[in-house]
Amino acid sequence: DQQVKQNSPSLSVQEGRISILNCDYTNSMFDYFLWYKKYPAEGPTFLISISSIKDKNEDGRFTVFLNKSAKHLSLHIVPSQPGDSAVYFCAASALRLTGGGNKLTFGTGTQLKVEL
Amino acid sequence: GAGVSQSPRYKVAKRGQDVALRCDPISGHVSLFWYQQALGQGPEFLTYFQNEAQLDKSGLPSDRFFAERPEGSVSTLKIQRTQQEDSAVYLCASSLDWRRQGVGYTFGSGTRLTVV
Repeated sequence: DQQVKQNSPSLSVQEGRISILNCDYTNSMFDYFLWYKKYPAEGPTFLISISSIKDKNEDGRFTVFLNKSAKHLSLHIVPSQPGDSAVYFCAASALRLTGGGNKLTFGTGTQLKVEL
Repeated sequence: GAGVSQSPRYKVAKRGQDVALRCDPISGHVSLFWYQQALGQGPEFLTYFQNEAQLDKSGLPSDRFFAERPEGSVSTLKIQRTQQEDSAVYLCASSLDWRRQGVGYTFGSGTRLTVV
């Protein structure tokens, strides 16, 4: 049972354009959502997060949007740069369920390629 | 150290062999997590420590998997009688405070285990 889904395994965009990565979830108990970026042979790196009480969070070129009614979130990167080429993972946590520990449930990732 | 350090980076084990994977978290980080990432998948939660206490081991796939953190710093994940389905990247992550959901935690580069 995949509670966090990233249905697009890959995405290709041109440098300078907007990249939009999507994520869907099924568990309504999730109260925090995070995006991680991963380069080959490295561990995931935290990028940006959003609380379930908000619908938008922005940090520089990165904006995350949350639509709770649709159980959908998206990561917008604008403008996209070649260095953004990586695998992006959506993750969710439900602190109330874990009693501490903040374990994350990850999607399967989307490979973003930013072309010159 | 400045980041989460894992060793070895690569491990090849013969089926049936026991392996031990080490994680050095960021100094002072209370929370420590182990995740398993199979090829083409997102990381999946294995277990969580708060200091030396293992508070959640619900993700360990079988009783062949065992984790410890005896002094609340370095952690070891042990896999007994390895099987081919254990082949994966094992990621360790640490966090200063488990209550800070929105911050995300810091991952190490992982140990790639290949069982032959």
